[in-house]
Amino acid sequence: EVQVVESGGGLVQPGRSLRLSCTASGFTFGDFAMHWFRQAPGKGLEWVGFIRSRAYGGAPEYAASVRGRFTISREDSISIAYLQMNSLKAADTAVYYCSRERGNWGNWYFDLWGRGTLVTVSS
Amino acid sequence: QSVLTQPPSVSGAPGQRVTISCTGSSSNFGAGYDVHWYQQLPGTPPKLLIYGNSNRPSGVPDRFSGSKSGTSASLAITGLQAEDEADYYCQSYDSSLSGSVFGGGTKLTVL
Repeated sequence: EVQVVESGGGLVQPGRSLRLSCTASGFTFGDFAMHWFRQAPGKGLEWVGFIRSRAYGGAPEYAASVRGRFTISREDSISIAYLQMNSLKAADTAVYYCSRERGNWGNWYFDLWGRGTLVTVSS
Repeated sequence: QSVLTQPPSVSGAPGQRVTISCTGSSSNFGAGYDVHWYQQLPGTPPKLLIYGNSNRPSGVPDRFSGSKSGTSASLAITGLQAEDEADYYCQSYDSSLSGSVFGGGTKLTVL
């Protein structure tokens, strides 16, 4: 089955760190750029960032709201993308989703979403 | 507020046609970037509904259609059904932000 599964969420204190995982199956993970999104409770979708496939250099890019605090990486050998979140704030509380990228540069769309993992930042 | 602007809510009776607008700017739609649409049923992840302005993925009924012109886009749903009650999001790329952007979402209520 073609799917992605997010994991690693939980309750964390402000200022602490958390690492999320996105485990893919059913497709050639290394061929795809992988994106992270989040959705705060009762709010809309927000793009967090992405990591290019190795064929395109494997470099990540980030939304301004998380740049400098979040890091995206990938391990193609085990089909996992990671979202390392540091210096967490209450405003980072959300369900975090990953998805694979389709389309071409600037015309990205996302056809495969997991059920997400909830991150709650609170003391 | 969101880079792409959607109405917070729309409603329609079963069998009717509704449209959801999505307004962008010169750095996204106006720069030629496509619009894509997602449906999010309560408690579930987003589902790709329309890609590349007007294309439907396999399995999406032809009751759903999309269009884009200039700095605006719209999603149309005909033959409205109770199961269509959900949140709908438009998405594109913004060159000034160098990333993907979403509309704030539109809640569709089937009366």
